[in-house]
Amino acid sequence: EDQVTQSPEALRLQEGESSSLNCSYTVSGLRGLFWYRQDPGKGPEFLFTLYSAGEEKEKERLKATLTKKESFLHITAPKPEDSATYLCAVARRAGTALIFGKGTTLSVSS
Amino acid sequence: DAMVIQNPRYQVTQFGKPVTLSCSQTLNHNVMYWYQQKSSQAPKLLFHYYDKDFNNEADTPDNFQSRRPNTSFCFLDIRSPGLGDAAMYLCATSRAGTGSSPFFGSGTQLSVL
Repeated sequence: EDQVTQSPEALRLQEGESSSLNCSYTVSGLRGLFWYRQDPGKGPEFLFTLYSAGEEKEKERLKATLTKKESFLHITAPKPEDSATYLCAVARRAGTALIFGKGTTLSVSS
Repeated sequence: DAMVIQNPRYQVTQFGKPVTLSCSQTLNHNVMYWYQQKSSQAPKLLFHYYDKDFNNEADTPDNFQSRRPNTSFCFLDIRSPGLGDAAMYLCATSRAGTGSSPFFGSGTQLSVL
């Protein structure tokens, strides 16, 4: 069964304290792995797509990496405005719909 | 700006009273999705349209129906809402075959009294 597991469920950081979020997955024929940011009461906002093991993408303080079994979202020197829930999702080769993990809720305090 | 618009942002209905949520898009994407997201849970796919072809997930209750009258609009009908249907409903679109990421609307928060 296709599955996406994110850890930790919640993460509290001090401003400037770097850390990583984990997304492990089992899927038959990975077409892509997606990271989204979701603020309370809003829809997910696209961050990155990764397609193959070894691929990395960066955007401001965020960097996403992909291996054959998991992906990491590295947050360097986070700021309070980075506080949100970060969702990981995978797309199967057979279909187009995304399978989401439950997310990691990040809180950054100043 | 091209986008996905969901209306209303907040919807309150009574137990058993039919309700319709709407989604429109200006991206001209051929795939449209409806997801249900309960508090602190992963978004769960209910169904999606590939052009006019409707694809229902096996575990989506019959209480949930959808219509897509044209490329731009898609509706989610809940025929007899129960208390357990209170959730955020997310509409998303994508262009099949391009590897593009689905683009989400802001969601409709449904409350059932």
